[in-house]
Amino acid sequence: DTEVTQTPKHLVMGMTNKKSLKCEQHMGHRAMYWYKQKAKKPPELMFVYSYEKLSINESVPSRFSPECPNSSLLNLHLHALQPEDSALYLCASSQDAQGDEKLFFGSGTQLSVL
Amino acid sequence: DAKTTQPNSMESNEEEPVHLPCNHSTISGTDYIHWYRQLPSQGPEYVIHGLTSNVNNRMASLAIAEDRKSSTLILHRATLRDAAVYYCILLGIQGAQKLVFGQGTRLTINP
Repeated sequence: DTEVTQTPKHLVMGMTNKKSLKCEQHMGHRAMYWYKQKAKKPPELMFVYSYEKLSINESVPSRFSPECPNSSLLNLHLHALQPEDSALYLCASSQDAQGDEKLFFGSGTQLSVL
Repeated sequence: DAKTTQPNSMESNEEEPVHLPCNHSTISGTDYIHWYRQLPSQGPEYVIHGLTSNVNNRMASLAIAEDRKSSTLILHRATLRDAAVYYCILLGIQGAQKLVFGQGTRLTINP
């Protein structure tokens, strides 16, 4: 199984809502990532977890709250988002955090904030 | 982070080879050269990576210049399914933790 599964595939939420994005992998990978991608732009790194600990936060606003409950699961909790936060949110995983490791990406959650 | 420079777009014909260039003049000795691609409506997909020597796999070949300041991704026989945005990325010792995407090259394949 070389798959990273993201749910839901699509999400529409209001600015006062609280929602969560979920990402799961069963490859035994110990590093997991969240990326944000606006239309026609490259993905932007948001967070990195290594061995279930947050190792990188790319100055992401606190309305995005990541969580890694176990080595297979990564969540992104959303609260009080703005319309400009509408984007494709991509999850990825890798065996470890080394320069010769490759990342496996999910297909993303398309988020619309109204 | 060391930067890469790629053409914004390229076009090729089906069943012909495609050579996608990448310049990385500030590469350090410990930076790996990675290539990913993103097909429409999908997440990025790993293609190939290397450090100093040329590399081949079932998807593509990676040719790395002797001074490592440039590299070329080679698709030996392009198909319509190879139409995608191709990203050349440098990864240092910290590795996958800082996989930072540049603008990439949008590859169009003509039937």
